[in-house]
Amino acid sequence: AQTVTQSQPEMSVQEAETVTLSCTYDTSENNYYLFWYKQPPSRQMILVIRQEAYKQQNATENRFSVNFQKAAKSFSLKISDSQLGDTAMYFCAFMGAWGAQKLVFGQGTRLTINP
Amino acid sequence: EPEVTQTPSHQVTQMGQEVILRCVPISNHLYFYWYRQILGQKVEFLVSFYNNEISEKSEIFDDQFSVERPDGSNFTLKIRSTKLEDSAMYFCASSRGQVNTEAFFGQGTRLTVV
Repeated sequence: AQTVTQSQPEMSVQEAETVTLSCTYDTSENNYYLFWYKQPPSRQMILVIRQEAYKQQNATENRFSVNFQKAAKSFSLKISDSQLGDTAMYFCAFMGAWGAQKLVFGQGTRLTINP
Repeated sequence: EPEVTQTPSHQVTQMGQEVILRCVPISNHLYFYWYRQILGQKVEFLVSFYNNEISEKSEIFDDQFSVERPDGSNFTLKIRSTKLEDSAMYFCASSRGQVNTEAFFGQGTRLTVV
């Protein structure tokens, strides 16, 4: 079974700083998808960024980028020029490419951006 | 922008009572999911639903749980006889396809069993 681990329960940075959230996962599959979801106080889960395991290039979405290390099974999220609106819970998630199309989530990291 | 909507936002029920959590997925989506998040814990998969049947369920989704798409727009989760440990946030999600498509989540229903 796949597992996802986020080792940082909480992080706090100043506005405009860069912050990196870490995530490791365990799987025997070769093809899969990795995601970062944001859960603001409104509780809705919002997709931040997605990475396909067969792509070597790291995904980027504006201020958000990932460092995907397939051999190390590591998938960290970097937020550049952090903004107050980035304050939220961030969940790393895994989905296999075959069979069940379900997301396996990590425990989450509570990120606070301070003014 | 289309979104997944869930009602109610908060439900309080007595232990042993039946509850139905409701979701309206995005209209052109074909795959539907329920997840739950016990307070302070990770989000866990419960069940996926496609073509009017369950495609996969987790070990959490026992005989007390059922899902239904009663009218082509709503997607419901029923808990037949609630237990204290069913208290959690329940998230509905939907996606257009099965692989490599984004799952859109609703805002969740907070279920409190007393």
